[in-house]
Amino acid sequence: DAKTTQPTSMDCAEGRAANLPCNHSTISGNEYVYWYRQIHSQGPQYIIHGLKNNETNEMASLIITEDRKSSTLILPHATLRDTAVYYCIVINAGGTSYGKLTFGQGTILTVHP
Amino acid sequence: SAVISQKPSRDICQRGTSLTIQCQVDSQVTMMFWYRQQPGQSLTLIATANQGSEATYESGFVIDKFPISRPNLTFSTLTVSNMSPEDSSIYLCSAVLLAGGPNEQYFGPGTRLTVT
Repeated sequence: DAKTTQPTSMDCAEGRAANLPCNHSTISGNEYVYWYRQIHSQGPQYIIHGLKNNETNEMASLIITEDRKSSTLILPHATLRDTAVYYCIVINAGGTSYGKLTFGQGTILTVHP
Repeated sequence: SAVISQKPSRDICQRGTSLTIQCQVDSQVTMMFWYRQQPGQSLTLIATANQGSEATYESGFVIDKFPISRPNLTFSTLTVSNMSPEDSSIYLCSAVLLAGGPNEQYFGPGTRLTVT
């Protein structure tokens, strides 16, 4: 699976959009981009995933560049409860990687009042 | 969605002993996994829990140290055997719902293990 690079930490003001970047320059054509987050003392939570098109759900939006070498997770109106570690994971949809998530160090997002 | 429970939520154990962690899912699932999260670190996949057959272990993890059972679709156990202080970690199980994709995993709250 392709390696990902994320900033170690980011800050965001409550009510503003939080934009979390992820670089995955070695991504291959059949690899998806997944985002999870882990709030302190809880298990990780699935947020969103995409292949090449931009995706949106009730939690967030995922913007993937046309060359697929980077992506941005957008929390449109961050709240204090969005303070967490955010993980960007690139994974093949099938094959030997099926279901096996590889978590990097992620980005610590801190939302301030 | 699914609710995943783990027992115990935390434990303090003496070195050389073993602890069995239980994971129960309230929905129909296909795949179940066990992860370890060492202090201040990210999650590492230990193994895939296979129903009715031996678990599939990742590099660096062996069955003698981390025996896993999955007697039915919604229940699995992980045993941490012959524990040492280096086994002090949070152990998490995850599950993939029958109606979900393989990489959309639901996680339990974790079991915080301290070995003294």
